[in-house]
Amino acid sequence: ELKVEQNPLFLSMQEGKNYTIYCNYSTTSDRLYWYRQDPGKSLESLFVLLSNGAVKQEGRLMASLDTKARLSTLHITAAVHDLSATYFCAVEPGGSEKLVFGKGMKLTVNP
Amino acid sequence: DGGITQSPKYLFRKEGQNVTLSCEQNLNHDAMYWYRQDPGQGLRLIYYSQIVNDFQKGDIAEGYSVSREKKESFPLTVTSAQKNPTAFYLCASSWTSGRPGELFFGEGSRLTVL
Repeated sequence: ELKVEQNPLFLSMQEGKNYTIYCNYSTTSDRLYWYRQDPGKSLESLFVLLSNGAVKQEGRLMASLDTKARLSTLHITAAVHDLSATYFCAVEPGGSEKLVFGKGMKLTVNP
Repeated sequence: DGGITQSPKYLFRKEGQNVTLSCEQNLNHDAMYWYRQDPGQGLRLIYYSQIVNDFQKGDIAEGYSVSREKKESFPLTVTSAQKNPTAFYLCASSWTSGRPGELFFGEGSRLTVL
């Protein structure tokens, strides 16, 4: 059974700081997705990573995928308060019809 | 605009009642999914459908039922057999059947059992 682990699960950081969060998964996959959820809201798609070495950037967020290490990172540069949200990674196992989600990482950016 | 519409946004239910949550998409997506989210938790898959008139159980299907009579619609019924139904329910869809691909989510329906 595929397991997807995110760490940390909670992160409180100051505005202007950098940080990297991690998403590890336990079986072979070449597709990984990052989603953002604001409190009380639904999920919105952030990044789609479809191959080893894929790197995507949007504003202060950059995501990458290393399929050999079974690891994706989400790097935050110069955090701002608007980035406060819960971030989920989801992995698409080969041959599967469904995504497996991590538990989510709740990020709080303090002024 | 294309998207996924869930209704109602908020729903209150007495114990022992069945309720149905609506999910409609006009994205022409083949696959549709229902997830449950409890406070502070991740997403758990209830049911999914790759094609009209076919659906599969997810990880927590007990106490729920679905139908897929039309491509654009995938309603979820929370039955009285679901012992702890208070949760946030999310419907999602994706282009491809077979491999899920990127999911697009509706706004969610929040169910509270009184």
